[in-house]
Amino acid sequence: GAGVSQSPSNKVTEKGKDVELRCDPISGHTALYWYRQSLGQGLEFLIYFQGNSAPDKSGLPSDRFSAERTGGSVSTLTIQRTQQEDSAVYLCASSRRGGLETQYFGPGTRLLVL
Amino acid sequence: AQSVTQLDSHVSVSEGTPVLLRCNYSSSYSPSLFWYVQHPNKGLQLLLKYTSAATLVKGINGFEAEFKKSETSFHLTKPSAHMSDAAEYFCVVSHPISGGYNKLIFGAGTRLAVHP
Repeated sequence: GAGVSQSPSNKVTEKGKDVELRCDPISGHTALYWYRQSLGQGLEFLIYFQGNSAPDKSGLPSDRFSAERTGGSVSTLTIQRTQQEDSAVYLCASSRRGGLETQYFGPGTRLLVL
Repeated sequence: AQSVTQLDSHVSVSEGTPVLLRCNYSSSYSPSLFWYVQHPNKGLQLLLKYTSAATLVKGINGFEAEFKKSETSFHLTKPSAHMSDAAEYFCVVSHPISGGYNKLIFGAGTRLAVHP
């Protein structure tokens, strides 16, 4: 079937605004992951979901970041009061289950905060 | 803690010559290691993975990697580079989190350029 999809592909926003980034995982994949790719930090893990549950939120960079997943499918990453340092590519991945199942990545959302 | 170090930020080769992208890992136990590739404006794609079976792992597009515990290395090789191999390559180690899940820890990446 289709791969992981993310929307929007690009987002430009003004500092202080809120943004929502969406991820549609591969159908049937129970595990979903968010990563961030930025010039200064490289690729870093943010959060993962087992079904609709996110057991560990410690990877989120600040309390302005939140994520949810509904129906064991679509996930939304929300950044409130965006800052310029939030500019990055936000990547979503999914896998059939946890463990060492291959994580399949979406094309990412490129976020630019002016 | 798990980590990976990619020893070269840029590698340049001529088409038809061998490719070697170097990666060393640090792990307190037997790691699971991966190589991902990222073509410009495209998503990350898994090239190959090592999960404690055969130490020589074959991946897609003619790439392979050898797990060497004594050297804590997982270098990526290809006998003959193609122009289409030009991309950024990431060496990755998995790190257990909760519930039997794993997060991926990425190296800084190696940008491969292939010249005619």
